[in-house]
Amino acid sequence: KQEVTQIPAALSVPEGENLVLNCSFTDSAIYNLQWFRQDPGKGLTSLLLIQSSQREQTSGRLNASLDKSSGRSTLYIAASQPGDSATYLCAVPNSGTYKYIFGTGTRLKVLA
Amino acid sequence: GAGVSQSPSNKVTEKGKDVELRCDPISGHTALYWYRQSLGQGLEFLIYFQGNSAPDKSGLPSDRFSAERTGGSVSTLTIQRTQQEDSAVYLCASSFLGQGIYEQYFGPGTRLTVT
Repeated sequence: KQEVTQIPAALSVPEGENLVLNCSFTDSAIYNLQWFRQDPGKGLTSLLLIQSSQREQTSGRLNASLDKSSGRSTLYIAASQPGDSATYLCAVPNSGTYKYIFGTGTRLKVLA
Repeated sequence: GAGVSQSPSNKVTEKGKDVELRCDPISGHTALYWYRQSLGQGLEFLIYFQGNSAPDKSGLPSDRFSAERTGGSVSTLTIQRTQQEDSAVYLCASSFLGQGIYEQYFGPGTRLTVT
């Protein structure tokens, strides 16, 4: 059974810092891994999707890496801003199924 | 283009009443997912559709919950005889299944409050 864990559960940093959010999963047989952002009271916004054959994806100040063999992904946020404050979730679908398994998220607060 | 839409955005109902929540996926997306998020909690998978069939209903909490999808498009999640513990945000997502890429796109959610 696939389990997804995110560390840390919460993070508070001053504006301008570079930071890393971690996601680990127990079953490496995945099609891809997706990172999302959720603002309070809102739905989820897709940030990055990494296919199983890829090692990283970049979008602006965000960079996500994937190490399937070790069951880990990291989301790197460069030069953090108060507008980055949100909950960040990672999710993986298992191979053979289209069901997504979500981590519990990292709640990020960037202080001005 | 249009994203995933859900209606209503908010629903307040009395305990014991039935409610219907609607999801309009992105046009052409073959997979549709329903999740529930209780206050301060993570996402709880409910059910997903591939076309009009539901290969995985394992997340439906009880037989009071049912969902259907018609025409490979709109889906309705029905909760019968609502209970206070059903209060949550219900999120819908859709995905195009093909070429090994299954990126999910989420709607804004329906906030259900059972009084």
